[in-house]
Amino acid sequence: GIQVEQSPPDLILQEGANSTLRCNFSDSVNNLQWFHQNPWGQLINLFYIPSGTKQNGRLSATTVATERYSLLYISSSQTTDSGVYFCAVSSGTYKYIFGTGTRLKVLA
Amino acid sequence: SQTIHQWPATLVQPVGSPLSLECTVEGTSNPNLYWYRQAAGRGLQLLFYSVGIGQISSEVPQNLSASRPQDRQFILSSKKLLLSDSGFYLCAWNRQGGVDNSPLHFGNGTRLTVT
Repeated sequence: GIQVEQSPPDLILQEGANSTLRCNFSDSVNNLQWFHQNPWGQLINLFYIPSGTKQNGRLSATTVATERYSLLYISSSQTTDSGVYFCAVSSGTYKYIFGTGTRLKVLA
Repeated sequence: SQTIHQWPATLVQPVGSPLSLECTVEGTSNPNLYWYRQAAGRGLQLLFYSVGIGQISSEVPQNLSASRPQDRQFILSSKKLLLSDSGFYLCAWNRQGGVDNSPLHFGNGTRLTVT
């Protein structure tokens, strides 16, 4: 099956800093999503981005499907950005496979 | 708009007791439904998915089972809980769309502690 790797596993930032999170996947995919899991465990959809670039406020994402990776950019980070960021991919079946996540802590 | 409800939010159960977690989706019909489990500090593992009433696919052999008695209802069950069943259980849905599945949407999860 598809393998999904995320890096870095852990990240600590000062408030206001920028960061890039990476998601690599081992095979072709039809679907890719980025999620933010907040401290209460809720999984929030950030982007549905099987290819191309999208932006939503301080967050943006780029997926290069031919090279099998996706990037999530966080600019001007805030303490509320803390949590775990997951990438999930699907190759045309009904199953989304999740990466192991990047744990982000933003310090005030 | 579509919403997904999952309950209870937290549950503490003794080893050997039964389990029933329920998930319902509103505002859509014939969704794909999923149960994921997240162990503490880990990623999400797909347990079961369903593409229709009575159709259940299991991803991981285990002590749990799933059922879909109605179009928008998905139930996760166990006859006898094990300590290793502790974790955070999340229900999710997306639209059926063949190859191009729509985005996954998650419920708020159930935190299960087996004592």
